[in-house]
Amino acid sequence: RKEVEQDPGPFNVPEGATVAFNCTYSNSASQSFFWYRQDCRKEPKLLMSVYSSGNEDGRFTAQLNRASQYISLLIRDSKLSDSATYLCVVNIGTGNQFYFGTGTSLTVIP
Amino acid sequence: NAGVTQTPKFQVLKTGQSMTLQCAQDMNHEYMSWYRQDPGMGLRLIHYSVGAGITDQGEVPNGYNVSRSTTEDFPLRLLSAAPSQTSVYFCASSIEAGALQTQYFGPGTRLLVL
Repeated sequence: RKEVEQDPGPFNVPEGATVAFNCTYSNSASQSFFWYRQDCRKEPKLLMSVYSSGNEDGRFTAQLNRASQYISLLIRDSKLSDSATYLCVVNIGTGNQFYFGTGTSLTVIP
Repeated sequence: NAGVTQTPKFQVLKTGQSMTLQCAQDMNHEYMSWYRQDPGMGLRLIHYSVGAGITDQGEVPNGYNVSRSTTEDFPLRLLSAAPSQTSVYFCASSIEAGALQTQYFGPGTRLLVL
């Protein structure tokens, strides 16, 4: 079983729409959680960390549900520039190993 | 700062050949790691290092060697390339090891093994 699972999409949404991605993780000992963004043929870059109480950064909101072992990312008022693949990342155990989901592809349409 | 740099950007190898993928960072980061990214598999950790002289295996270490003689450099060696090693390889670093650390990635090396 994969440590981190994501719906690969693709999600195709119009500009201005709200879109949500979910991610589930299998290890209850997971310590920390992140969303990374990866543009086509580029390296991943940190979008935001996910805190237990939930957190917001502009149009982006991340939530963590430890009981159900899932993480979510909500994007409001989608922009064309939000088109990318969004990677869910989990750190387990000693803190030295990060596990990446396969990513969810988002295309924002004019 | 150049950040994390990787060379080469592209490489084609024949089965059985060996090569070294270079990774360097100029941010004085203690933690460095290597991932491979394959379609449908996500990024998978190959090897990592929590500091100079210290390396450890990740999720998929077979067929790869690493060393960390300096803080700046973390080369990845393919001993005898196989078609299954065709992938995109990313090097990453963070200030230190730890669950809350942001990973900074290099631009990647695209490797094709024939």
